Amino acid sequence: QVQLQESGPGLVKPTQTLSLTCTVSGGSINSDNYYWSWIRQHPGKGLEWIGYIYYSGSTYYNPSLKSRLTISIDTSKNQFSLKLSSVTAADTAVYYCARGVMVYAILDCFDPWGQGTLVTVSS
Amino acid sequence: QSALTQPRSVSGSPGQSVTISCTGTSSDVGGYNYVSWYQQHPGKAPKLMIYDVSKRPSGVPDRFSGSKSGNTASLTISGLQAEDEADYYCCSYAGNSLVVFGGGTKLTVL
Repeated sequence: QVQLQESGPGLVKPTQTLSLTCTVSGGSINSDNYYWSWIRQHPGKGLEWIGYIYYSGSTYYNPSLKSRLTISIDTSKNQFSLKLSSVTAADTAVYYCARGVMVYAILDCFDPWGQGTLVTVSS
Repeated sequence: QSALTQPRSVSGSPGQSVTISCTGTSSDVGGYNYVSWYQQHPGKAPKLMIYDVSKRPSGVPDRFSGSKSGNTASLTISGLQAEDEADYYCCSYAGNSLVVFGGGTKLTVL
């Protein structure tokens, strides 16, 4: 079955860019049935949707993060990536990648999820 | 785009039933049947439990059920078991390619 795995630095300095990659195994990212998504969870808090990308490269972002956010996809490597610029301590969170199930071009639900990776923003 | 409203905590004894509510607006929960629910145990990734308001993925026990009335969706867990103790999050499509989560509910099995 499909599995997702996040990777990237666990520590980022303030004002720098947070970069994460999600590697998809057990299935092709080059599918017209799914959106490839990022979700984060601040320590001890709830889930926050970040954004998602279609295999064609179309992106959809949370308006609150849009100005700092870039999500990209590399179908040749079966990976998609997240870049969040000008980070502050408020961006410290566990970042999850997930497969978004698409129904009539709408993101229906997230399944499965990666295990998550903690990113701390600190000098 | 505000977070969906969930109770911070609910509790129940083994064998009992509990219901977790998720209140949104006509722009999200009330406007679409794309409501999903996720279970998260401490230190683990969320797991899909319900999608499309009331559908269960393969492998999810039928003790878990979902429903919706107006702008409020609900997750009901019947025959509570110790392993059901976890955080639960609702999620809804919110139009214009946006998605919104609830604030989460901590379920305690007494």
